[in-house]
Amino acid sequence: DAGITQSPRHKVTETGTPVTLRCHQTENHRYMYWYRQDPGHGLRLIHYSYGVKDTDKGEVSDGYSVSRSKTEDFLLTLESATSSQTSVYFCAISRGQGGQPQHFGDGTRLSIL
Amino acid sequence: QKEVEQDPGPLSVPEGAIVSLNCTYSNSAFQYFMWYRQYSRKGPELLMYTYSSGNKEDGRFTAQVDKSSKYISLFIRDSQPSDSATYLCAFDQTRANNLFFGTGTRLTVIP
Repeated sequence: DAGITQSPRHKVTETGTPVTLRCHQTENHRYMYWYRQDPGHGLRLIHYSYGVKDTDKGEVSDGYSVSRSKTEDFLLTLESATSSQTSVYFCAISRGQGGQPQHFGDGTRLSIL
Repeated sequence: QKEVEQDPGPLSVPEGAIVSLNCTYSNSAFQYFMWYRQYSRKGPELLMYTYSSGNKEDGRFTAQVDKSSKYISLFIRDSQPSDSATYLCAFDQTRANNLFFGTGTRLTVIP
């Protein structure tokens, strides 16, 4: 396994509450990513980071924010969760971009009621 | 037209069969081609990675890329029940910030 830990692994919460998911890596990789996986859509990029305090938006970033204060930690926050954000969230890491393979954690299963 | 098309299956085969999984793509900028395997309730695991047309073999697995047809394949020889998983194709391009994934093909190998 690629040394990626996601927490929590499962969470159930209510609409309108804030939620923070954590990704922790032990590989010292520069790039970190948050994806969501939904049936019929495959994996879609939410946000990514290319260094400490350096982040940018992905394809489906609305309603999400991220922060990276240390190389090893990348946080994903849903400021006010909605039912459409019920999904499985995956963190990935890579040494670089464009041609560097990404390695994934085991995901967080988030249900918003 | 979607950038990546992958038959979702499901695909069921007997143990020992040869399995063929396929994806088509439309973006000519894709230069790197990957196959991930995803077991239930787990994250995608990189299985094969290539950046050129032709074949790449790793044990029972062969990845094939045809850039002219924009078509990639994964072949599994002597399939085993432990190969039962969802297989995702993925594509990357130079200086890209994310991978482009197929929706996955669910494979079941029956003992």
